[in-house]
Amino acid sequence: SQTIHQWPATLVQPVGSPLSLECTVEGTSNPNLYWYRQAAGRGLQLLFYSVGIGQISSEVPQNLSASRPQDRQFILSSKKLLLSDSGFYLCAWGYTFGSGTRLTVV
Amino acid sequence: DAKTTQPNSMESNEEEPVHLPCNHSTISGTDYIHWYRQLPSQGPEYVIHGLTSNVNNRMASLAIAEDRKSSTLILHRATLRDAAVYYCIPRGGFKTIFGAGTRLFVKA
Repeated sequence: SQTIHQWPATLVQPVGSPLSLECTVEGTSNPNLYWYRQAAGRGLQLLFYSVGIGQISSEVPQNLSASRPQDRQFILSSKKLLLSDSGFYLCAWGYTFGSGTRLTVV
Repeated sequence: DAKTTQPNSMESNEEEPVHLPCNHSTISGTDYIHWYRQLPSQGPEYVIHGLTSNVNNRMASLAIAEDRKSSTLILHRATLRDAAVYYCIPRGGFKTIFGAGTRLFVKA
């Protein structure tokens, strides 16, 4: 079966610290992968998508970056977190979304 | 990407049918109409999708207008667990772009 794993579920990080969120999928090959963010009380914003290894497209300019080192692995990173990076981060593949990471930057 | 218009919120009584409308007048001929829902504190969940014909699955029905400029998601018997934000998304490529959606309130 096709599944998507995302961790951690919650994260509290200080301003200026680095970030690494990982997403992996099972049960498929060469999936299109996506990172979304949802700020508190707001809608879902598409941040990045990837159609293959090493291929990243950014939808909005921001303090974050994404990488796809393996076919079924998608990583969201930041070198220095800002308060405005707080939110609910979701990885997605096809019609399926992960369970999300709730990030609070303090 | 096609622009969509959905009511900000709707209210339903439990056990009654709910019709959630969506206007997508700029939809292209090859865009499928997708519906997702997002329960509180969870990621979006796929509900249903269709191109031209009406579609049914275990969760809902999708009624698509003949000119494809609008569609309606039908929950046949709303339950308290159906309280969520419902998103209507025309999708032609590989990106799923979410709008504001409709927040559905279900009263017991």
